[in-house]
Amino acid sequence: SAVISQKPSRDICQRGTSLTIQCQVDSQVTMMFWYRQQPGQSLTLIATANQGSEATYESGFVIDKFPISRPNLTFSTLTVSNMSPEDSSIYLCSARGANYGYTFGSGTRLTVV
Amino acid sequence: RKEVEQDPGPFNVPEGATVAFNCTYSNSASQSFFWYRQDCRKEPKLLMSVYSSGNEDGRFTAQLNRASQYISLLIRDSKLSDSATYLCVVGVGTSYDKVIFGPGTSLSVIP
Repeated sequence: SAVISQKPSRDICQRGTSLTIQCQVDSQVTMMFWYRQQPGQSLTLIATANQGSEATYESGFVIDKFPISRPNLTFSTLTVSNMSPEDSSIYLCSARGANYGYTFGSGTRLTVV
Repeated sequence: RKEVEQDPGPFNVPEGATVAFNCTYSNSASQSFFWYRQDCRKEPKLLMSVYSSGNEDGRFTAQLNRASQYISLLIRDSKLSDSATYLCVVGVGTSYDKVIFGPGTSLSVIP
């Protein structure tokens, strides 16, 4: 399966600012996804990152708040915009290749103060 | 009804015990099923895929009952290192790309 490098691993940010999280995969993958995991809860899908086009967002998530880029088959970014304390969470990117299931980056632990 | 539901747990079992986790899903069209393991403060990692015929990997056995929309995971001879949260993951409808994560069941194996 693919190896995913995600950074930053953690950050503490002021409310009203934005943070961009990067995900680099060591091989070309067909699908990339961004998830959020709030404390004590399971993973919630934010969006599917589409290569060369706009991401597909799940209900409750919008592009203005979580803009996503995927310029090629191995790289994607998620920006958390105009942050508030409610955005404090772990953000995870995930990739799925043609011949294997989902692998995850190590996550970004975000705290908004 | 939630799309994927699991035993709430936590499960606290002694070393060597056998423990079973249950999971139900609401979309009868779902085609892909997995069990993931998540250690504290770590990302989820694939434990095993679940096939219609059932499958076994060492001490772990997964079963799928499509008629009842039910998935199970059996762990035999529990080890301390099995302590983690176990996530039931189900494909969205007929999609092989998008999945829904269950809320997870916490397991603590006690010496």
